[in-house]
Amino acid sequence: DGGITQSPKYLFRKEGQNVTLSCEQNLNHDAMYWYRQDPGQGLRLIYYSQIVNDFQKGDIAEGYSVSREKKESFPLTVTSAQKNPTAFYLCASSITWSSGNTIYFGEGSWLTVV
Amino acid sequence: AQSVTQLGSHVSVSEGALVLLRCNYSSSVPPYLFWYVQYPNQGLQLLLKYTSAATLVKGINGFEAEFKKSETSFHLTKPSAHMSDAAEYFCAVRYAGNMLTFGGGTRLMVKP
Repeated sequence: DGGITQSPKYLFRKEGQNVTLSCEQNLNHDAMYWYRQDPGQGLRLIYYSQIVNDFQKGDIAEGYSVSREKKESFPLTVTSAQKNPTAFYLCASSITWSSGNTIYFGEGSWLTVV
Repeated sequence: AQSVTQLGSHVSVSEGALVLLRCNYSSSVPPYLFWYVQYPNQGLQLLLKYTSAATLVKGINGFEAEFKKSETSFHLTKPSAHMSDAAEYFCAVRYAGNMLTFGGGTRLMVKP
């Protein structure tokens, strides 16, 4: 089935540790996104990529990094510089970056600092 | 800056009753508007979207929304609530050249 796969579903991070969340899509979409969701709140954009080998900062990029070496993959690294990383992370994609296109979401990954 | 407001962080209805979830956007420029649903510990699923083709948009699971430019609103409705409708609902707006912006979400509770 076509879709967006995020892994792992649950991840625990120690203080000072970098962790990477995986996001793979087989929808042949050009654009990919990472959102952060805190309990009881809406989604905030971390990074987005309109095309391979290009990405842009979103509203809350500090403490995060991404890469887009392949069209189907858009991993997110949560660095030790992110002081409050505990949240639900959602990866998404759309056919192109065009505003009218639907953005489809993965199942999300929970990150908890221990 | 674009923004979207969802009035009511929690809405409770009885099974079989009308569901009305409110969404207002800020701009004089017609936007693209979306409603998503999120079940616990899951991603977001598109319910419906408005792209200027028709003001009344029908979506999945019996939901629909009406775009009202004069009120800058895009409220989500369903004539008869079902227990399975209990979830978090997000309204989102996007303007040309900008990113998708989400409202704060409304948690719908359905009482038997």
